[in-house]
Amino acid sequence: KNQVEQSPQSLIILEGKNCTLQCNYTVSPFSNLRWYKQDTGRGPVSLTIMTFSENTKSNGRYTATLDADTKQSSLHITASQLSDSASYICVVRAIGQNFVFGPGTRLSVLP
Amino acid sequence: EAGVTQFPSHSVIEKGQTVTLRCDPISGHDNLYWYRRVMGKEIKFLLHFVKESKQDESGMPNNRFLAERTGGTYSTLKVQPAELEDSGVYFCASSRDAGQLGTGELFFGEGSRLTVL
Repeated sequence: KNQVEQSPQSLIILEGKNCTLQCNYTVSPFSNLRWYKQDTGRGPVSLTIMTFSENTKSNGRYTATLDADTKQSSLHITASQLSDSASYICVVRAIGQNFVFGPGTRLSVLP
Repeated sequence: EAGVTQFPSHSVIEKGQTVTLRCDPISGHDNLYWYRRVMGKEIKFLLHFVKESKQDESGMPNNRFLAERTGGTYSTLKVQPAELEDSGVYFCASSRDAGQLGTGELFFGEGSRLTVL
């Protein structure tokens, strides 16, 4: 069964600190993996998209990694800001199939 | 360029009533998706349109849900009659590319929150 798991479920950090969110998936055959940021009451917004051949991709202070062999991905946030408080969702697509969403990690950045 | 727009943003109805949600995708995006997030759960796929055709409707929970995309532009999702378990946030998304690899950018609307009392 195609599944996406994320950890931790929630995370609280102080402004300016770094953090790393984890994503494990069993989606097969793998096509691509995405990280989305979802602010409360808003729709998800894309941060990164990675295909099988990519193992790192950055978008400003966000850096995603992908290990297709172990089926793991991480999202690293550097020098966190208050505006980073949101849910971060890992989404995986199998070839010829639809997107599978993870449950998300709820990040709270405190001043 | 306008993004994906959804209407209404919030709807409160009683069990047994009918609700119709609307989604206007980004202009030129042939692919339109409906998703749903039930309280405390992950976002789940409902169905996928390519232009006006239903490419995949395997995620539709039952025959109380009817989606249409006449003319391949905007789409509607009707729930009739609504049940308590239908409460949640319904997201629409659109993209240009949805081939086998599906690497195209997926743009989401803000969602329509449905509350069934």
